Amino acid sequence: QSVLTQPPSASGTPGQRVTISCSGSSSNIGTKTVNWYHQLPGTAPKLLIYSNNQRPSGVPDRFSGSKSGTSASLAISGLQSEDEADYYCAAWDDSLNGVVFGGGTKLTVL
Amino acid sequence: EVQLVESGGGLVQRGGSLRLSCVASGFTFTSYAMSWVRQAPGKGLEWVSTISGSGDSTYYADSVKGRFTISRDNSKNTLYVQMNSLTAEDTAVYYCAKTRDVSRYFDWLSWGQGTLVTVSS
Repeated sequence: QSVLTQPPSASGTPGQRVTISCSGSSSNIGTKTVNWYHQLPGTAPKLLIYSNNQRPSGVPDRFSGSKSGTSASLAISGLQSEDEADYYCAAWDDSLNGVVFGGGTKLTVL
Repeated sequence: EVQLVESGGGLVQRGGSLRLSCVASGFTFTSYAMSWVRQAPGKGLEWVSTISGSGDSTYYADSVKGRFTISRDNSKNTLYVQMNSLTAEDTAVYYCAKTRDVSRYFDWLSWGQGTLVTVSS
């Protein structure tokens, strides 16, 4: 059972907008910033969003992040086939004194 | 270009030990905190440990505290993790990761290719 809760799966068709949620608590998302990673099969994770809504250089602006209270969301607009991957949220947890991840969401592009 | 190359993974018996290494290049190694993140087969990501650029500060997940020791040799641009008292639950791909910014510890912009550790019972 992960400390941060994500839906196990999400799907969309090319061009659509999809969102992936990440639910936490006051000891993590409620007071700390959220990062998002995605991972293609057999490859290392890649940082998509940091500090809730900032994109590293090279990440398309189709990807956006937001946070409200103890929940965060990743939105992907203009869905493309290459977006099919696993997506993870992460945050520091003050109670556990460590970084916690969501269980991951497998995004399928139909 | 940032490069992180892990090594040292392999098959080890339950209760055994293993030391992983990660050789870094393409950036000023001593300026950045470094971390280990693992992923069990078919499972999600799990943070393992982080060390500051100077090596003075270390952080561990509860699941490895007291069994794993993270360290670094800044003269060799190398990150290590010494893993003792290994159990089947430690079976995973172990990634070395570099933080995004010198002021940050826990957001990882660059990752190695990973090294597989398998603990047999």
